[in-house]
Amino acid sequence: SQTIHQWPATLVQPVGSPLSLECTVEGTSNPNLYWYRQAAGRGLQLLFYSVGIGQISSEVPQNLSASRPQDRQFILSSKKLLLSDSGFYLCAWSRWGGNTEAFFGQGTRLTVV
Amino acid sequence: GESVGLHLPTLSVQEGDNSIINCAYSNSASDYFIWYKQESGKGPQFIIDIRSNMDKRQGQRVTVLLNKTVKHLSLQIAATQPGDSAVYFCADEGFQKLVFGTGTRLLVSP
Repeated sequence: SQTIHQWPATLVQPVGSPLSLECTVEGTSNPNLYWYRQAAGRGLQLLFYSVGIGQISSEVPQNLSASRPQDRQFILSSKKLLLSDSGFYLCAWSRWGGNTEAFFGQGTRLTVV
Repeated sequence: GESVGLHLPTLSVQEGDNSIINCAYSNSASDYFIWYKQESGKGPQFIIDIRSNMDKRQGQRVTVLLNKTVKHLSLQIAATQPGDSAVYFCADEGFQKLVFGTGTRLLVSP
């Protein structure tokens, strides 16, 4: 069976510090991978998605970046966090080709102080 | 750009009533739609999906209706239970990009 791992679950970081959130998927090959951010009481904003290794599509201009160094690994990074980067970050995967449901990790709650 | 929007931010129902959650989408090229349920502090969980070549699909206590003419999607929950209280999102997938709407909070009172 397929599983998705996302860590850490919670993170408190000072303004200006770097960020690295990691997401890995097991039990499938060549998945589509997604990073979303959710502000409190709001919807899911698509940040990045990837349909293959090294292929990253950015949806929202910001100080975040994403990388996919391996087929089933998706990393969300920032060189210098802003207060506005606080939120609930969710990684998801779906089968390549689309038209299938996406499966979500448990999320990382990031607080920038 | 592509977006999926919801008409109502909060829906309050009595236990046992039927719930209807609505969603509007803007991308005419969208060909796959999903409803998700999200409980507090957790990732969204799949409820039901529908492809653009269908206008209705039923699951256990849930039905999704798709009206492509007006770009409208709805989720019907029969005999709503307290455990159905959560935030519900519709999502639109086109060209392997999955975009979510704002969400509707469903509150079920006994």
